Amino acid sequence: GEDVEQSLFLSVREGDSSVINCTYTDSSSTYLYWYKQEPGAGLQLLTYIFSNMDMKQDQRLTVLLNKKDKHLSLRIADTQTGDSAIYFCAESNPGTASKLTFGTGTRLQVTL
Amino acid sequence: SAVISQKPSRDICQRGTSLTIQCQVDSQVTMMFWYRQQPGQSLTLIATANQGSEATYESGFVIDKFPISRPNLTFSTLTVSNMSPEDSSIYLCSSLRGADETQYFGPGTRLLVL
Repeated sequence: GEDVEQSLFLSVREGDSSVINCTYTDSSSTYLYWYKQEPGAGLQLLTYIFSNMDMKQDQRLTVLLNKKDKHLSLRIADTQTGDSAIYFCAESNPGTASKLTFGTGTRLQVTL
Repeated sequence: SAVISQKPSRDICQRGTSLTIQCQVDSQVTMMFWYRQQPGQSLTLIATANQGSEATYESGFVIDKFPISRPNLTFSTLTVSNMSPEDSSIYLCSSLRGADETQYFGPGTRLLVL
């Protein structure tokens, strides 16, 4: 079955790097996503990675995928207070009409 | 990225009543999705709505409770019927966009049932 897990909470100081981790169980995942949800807002697509890639970088964001261990991470460089939010990883699977399975979400708190 | 809007943005409803949530996408899309996010929880897919066919519901969700319409390629509605306090959640719609068919979400409708 599909199960996506994340740690619940992460606190970092402004200017440091944040690393948010995600583990999944479905090895047939095609795409893996990171979404950001700010308080009172909807979900913002941050970035995504295709399952045949190991790494993707987009400005301050770096996504690493270890398919062998079914581990996905999101690194945010130079974390800012505006990065405080809940971060969800999600996986999509072939043959399921693009259904996404979401992780439990990691609340990132950025302190001064 | 897609521009997706939802109405209402929030509502407070009495138990036993129904609320219809509207989702509008700025361009034609084949598939639209409805998710529920219960307080402090992750997102759970309610159903997939394709234009011209019945919505496909996920396990635990039924059409009588969550009827969905998809009258055209840019619009969908979700009705939460005979509401109870357990239906208090954020309801989000989404659609696929781009060659990679990534999912973009609307801002959500925050529902509180008293």
